[in-house]
Amino acid sequence: AQSVTQLDSQVPVFEEAPVELRCNYSSSVSVYLFWYVQYPNQGLQLLLKYLSGSTLVKGINGFEAEFNKSQTSFHLRKPSVHISDTAEYFCAVGGDGGSNYKLTFGKGTLLTVNP
Amino acid sequence: DVKVTQSSRYLVKRTGEKVFLECVQDMDHENMFWYRQDPGLGLRLIYFSYDVKMKEKGDIPEGYSVSREKKERFSLILESASTNQTSMYLCASSFPSGGNNEQFFGPGTRLTVL
Repeated sequence: AQSVTQLDSQVPVFEEAPVELRCNYSSSVSVYLFWYVQYPNQGLQLLLKYLSGSTLVKGINGFEAEFNKSQTSFHLRKPSVHISDTAEYFCAVGGDGGSNYKLTFGKGTLLTVNP
Repeated sequence: DVKVTQSSRYLVKRTGEKVFLECVQDMDHENMFWYRQDPGLGLRLIYFSYDVKMKEKGDIPEGYSVSREKKERFSLILESASTNQTSMYLCASSFPSGGNNEQFFGPGTRLTVL
């Protein structure tokens, strides 16, 4: 079975500050990792994904994440946030092979960027 | 662009009513999913379908059923709505290549059961 833990339910930061949203996962098989963003009153939109290859993944809106297999982590980072980055962020893990089409989501981290 | 649409953005129903939530995708995806989203609980999978007329229970199927008669359409049915089914419902779709599939989400339906 797979699981995802997002270590912070809320992260308040000031505009132009760096931010890191933490995600740890557990899985008994090879994993694929995703970060999604949800703006108020909208559905989820993919920020970035790790499937294989380079462990540093770059996504949209200046976000990046690093896959760390030994620490089973996939933390999301941005060097300088904007007010418009205020949203809820979800980490998700997908399994490899078989009929496992599903993604397992974390409970989300609400990022609030203050002026 | 992939588009997933949901029939209503907001819906208000009464306890005991039968409720239909409709989802349509335009990218010929085999897989479709229904989630509910509640504060502090994240997304929880209700049902998913990997082909027409095929379905599997997710983590919280109780009180729900689904229908997939056509590839592009996946319906969630609340047979007898209850107040504890007040929630945001999200539909998603993806290609069938294992867990490395990006899921594409609709805008959500916020359902209130009175």
